[in-house]
Amino acid sequence: AQSVAQPEDQVNVAEGNPLTVKCTYSVSGNPYLFWYVQYPNRGLQFLLKYITGDNLVKGSYGFEAEFNKSQTSFHLKKPSALVSDSALYFCAVRAHNAGNNRKLIWGLGTSLAVNP
Amino acid sequence: EAQVTQNPRYLITVTGKKLTVTCSQNMNHEYMSWYRQDPGLGLRQIYYSMNVEVTDKGDVPEGYKVSRKEKRNFPLILESPSPNQTSLYFCASSFLTPSTTDTQYFGPGTRLTVL
Repeated sequence: AQSVAQPEDQVNVAEGNPLTVKCTYSVSGNPYLFWYVQYPNRGLQFLLKYITGDNLVKGSYGFEAEFNKSQTSFHLKKPSALVSDSALYFCAVRAHNAGNNRKLIWGLGTSLAVNP
Repeated sequence: EAQVTQNPRYLITVTGKKLTVTCSQNMNHEYMSWYRQDPGLGLRQIYYSMNVEVTDKGDVPEGYKVSRKEKRNFPLILESPSPNQTSLYFCASSFLTPSTTDTQYFGPGTRLTVL
């Protein structure tokens, strides 16, 4: 079965420190991986995606993610966290064998709290 | 500004009273989709549409209907809402190129409470 796991419900980090939000996946074939962020009372905003090529993907707001095929992981990272990065982060993978349906399979989210 | 809009943003209703949540995108996307987000269950797809007049069920379609009469609009219809449809609903859209790697863009969400 295809799935995405975000093993940490919450991550706490001090402002200025590096942050990592973890994601592992299980999908047949080559994975298409995405990170989205959800701020309170706002929709899901796209951060970055991995399709192919360089394993290190750079995205919006200084975020980046590293694709590791052997570990089936796609961890989100940022070198220096800001208080404004506090939000709910979702990892998702494009479902395979779904025909033309662009359905995404989602992790349950990780709440990131950046403390001043 | 390129965006996906949803209305209403918040809705409290009673069991059995028909309602429609509208979704509109201004990016000329072919593909549109509805998800619901519930604690502990994450986001699950309700319905999707490949283009005008082409719709299909997602993972949790029971109790919902959709229509796609215009490319930009994809309303979600609850003919007889029940309390188990209390949830946060998201509409999404994307292009439908053969590469299948297109990014989906999401609306701001509609928080629905059915009493």
